[in-house]
Amino acid sequence: EVQLVESGGGLVKPGVSLRLSCAASGFTFSSYKMNWVRQAPGKGLEWVSSISSSTTYIYYADSVKGRFTISRDNAKNSLYLQMNSLRAEDTAVYYCVRDLYYDLQASYYFDYWGQGTLVTVSS
Amino acid sequence: DIQMTQSPSSLSASVGDRVTITCRASQAISNYLAWFQQKPGKAPKSLIYAASNLQSGVPSKFSGSGSGTDFTLTISSLQPEDFATYYCQQYNSYPLTFGGGTKVEIK
Repeated sequence: EVQLVESGGGLVKPGVSLRLSCAASGFTFSSYKMNWVRQAPGKGLEWVSSISSSTTYIYYADSVKGRFTISRDNAKNSLYLQMNSLRAEDTAVYYCVRDLYYDLQASYYFDYWGQGTLVTVSS
Repeated sequence: DIQMTQSPSSLSASVGDRVTITCRASQAISNYLAWFQQKPGKAPKSLIYAASNLQSGVPSKFSGSGSGTDFTLTISSLQPEDFATYYCQQYNSYPLTFGGGTKVEIK
């Protein structure tokens, strides 16, 4: 069974840093592209960042570029999101999401989501 | 960036109703379009990818169609467990973007 378990969220003050982790199990983590997606309280979904299986390709939303860093440790089956210079608008539930490759279009889509970890940025 | 616009933003329907949700992209995205269902306090769940392909394990009452800029998600006969918020998402190009969501409520 595919499992994605996020951790590392909490209440922090503006300007500080936080590192989120996502522990993956039930599949060959090193073969999958992974993502972070966030959802502010009562709002919609916002893609944050993506990383390819071998870390060759990394992408960020403009809203976090230069402040957040996505990384992975395939030996530990783990995905990370280092968040620096946190702002009130970064307050959200952060989801770890797996990307599944499909032959039909030689592309990827989000197939499994973790339960999320809440990050609250407030003074 | 590609903007995704869903309509309606909310709807009220009865058990057994056929429900259709629309998603429009600000530019053509071929059929690189996914649909997700989210229930309160839960993570989103994948329903459909490539505009019309059902994710494994998703019941056939869900169907998707469209290509280019206009897409639809249809629930053929609404059941109590289908009351949720539905999101479309384009994955044609980065940044990946979601529609604003459609909340399906009980009439």
